[in-house]
Amino acid sequence: GAVVSQHPSWVICKSGTSVKIECRSLDFQATTMFWYRQFPKQSLMLMATSNEGSKATYEQGVEKDKFLINHASLTLSTLTVTSAHPEDSSFYICSARGSGRSSYEQYFGPGTRLTVT
Amino acid sequence: QKEVEQNSGPLSVPEGAIASLNCTYSDRGSQSFFWYRQYSGKSPELIMSIYSNGDKEDGRFTAQLNKASQYVSLLIRDSQPSDSATYLCAVTEGYQKVTFGTGTKLQVIP
Repeated sequence: GAVVSQHPSWVICKSGTSVKIECRSLDFQATTMFWYRQFPKQSLMLMATSNEGSKATYEQGVEKDKFLINHASLTLSTLTVTSAHPEDSSFYICSARGSGRSSYEQYFGPGTRLTVT
Repeated sequence: QKEVEQNSGPLSVPEGAIASLNCTYSDRGSQSFFWYRQYSGKSPELIMSIYSNGDKEDGRFTAQLNKASQYVSLLIRDSQPSDSATYLCAVTEGYQKVTFGTGTKLQVIP
């Protein structure tokens, strides 16, 4: 159990365009979802936390108008990178935390590798 | 500022040996403790969670928690080359966001 999927697994886009990444919890209801970014050989960096039906809470230094997060249902959250630039190229990973017995545990999706040219 | 400290490694162990990974945390209010494994180029995978003092065993993995010392460890018995990865320690208090350590890179030498 506790499976989280992400789509797409990789994407290449041109500078100035927008990219949407989907994160889905497949076998549990995700009350909270998290979005991380990871540059090569660096640690996970939390970008934002979203609760279903609420506005996302962004970490300091993360531009909320550039990284749009929508957590419209208990199984789906989306991250849209608007007006992407080459410095936004990174590995974006979502994670989800649900309700019930293991509600403190956080499960990660497989990640989306974004390359902006 | 809540902190989770791990030795970055690499920790090299021969195949078949016990690998011991350590983590300390700063927030005494922490209640939930996790170990994640992250292979190069992949996302983290939850391998152990522990909530109370003592040991918790799952297969070749044993997590150990000592809240008085603010210390949590992961032992991997009979280490295999496939265990070579970065191991992330993570800590949280209740439903607050998880604080991750920077990870320890483990290399299991055949």
